[in-house]
Amino acid sequence: AQSVTQLDSHVSVSEGTPVLLRCNYSSSYSPSLFWYVQHPNKGLQLLLKYTSAATLVKGINGFEAEFKKSETSFHLTKPSAHMSDAAEYFCVVSYFGNEKLTFGTGTRLTIIP
Amino acid sequence: GAVVSQHPSRVICKSGTSVKIECRSLDFQATTMFWYRQFPKQSLMLMATSNEGSKATYEQGVEKDKFLINHASLTLSTLTVTSAHPEDSSFYICSARYTENTEAFFGQGTRLTVV
Repeated sequence: AQSVTQLDSHVSVSEGTPVLLRCNYSSSYSPSLFWYVQHPNKGLQLLLKYTSAATLVKGINGFEAEFKKSETSFHLTKPSAHMSDAAEYFCVVSYFGNEKLTFGTGTRLTIIP
Repeated sequence: GAVVSQHPSRVICKSGTSVKIECRSLDFQATTMFWYRQFPKQSLMLMATSNEGSKATYEQGVEKDKFLINHASLTLSTLTVTSAHPEDSSFYICSARYTENTEAFFGQGTRLTVV
């Protein structure tokens, strides 16, 4: 079965410092991987996705993620955190031909002024 | 991106009553819609997948008679929680996509509280 593990349930960083949200996936086949962000009382917004093209994926709002097959990881990074980045972040996996999205447990990102 | 609207955003109902949640794709035709449930501080769990004009496909462990899903048009899917009980209290989120291999867009969610 496909699954993703988000290693941190809560991450706090100071405004202007780098952000790292960690995600590992289980894989029997080549996965598609996504990062979604959920602001309070809002729906989920797609930040970026990996679908077997370039391993370094750039998303919206300055976020990027690198697919590392050897480490089965897809960590989300941003060079400089902004207050508006405070939200819940979900790492998501699916497999080609399988429309089902499997969500990680989420990481709450807090930005310290 | 495309817009998916859920209504209502919050609902409180009495135990034993039924509640209907609507999911609309506002600016595209959604051939497939998905319904998720999210418990506090937990992840989203897929409940069912519905394709327009056909019966929904439910995930294992989801009671199809309790969670009725209708996808009668390309822009509207509804989830009806029948004979709701306090344990049904949760955050329900829908998503919709135009066709296979296209991005799924999410609604803002509905917080259901059964008292």
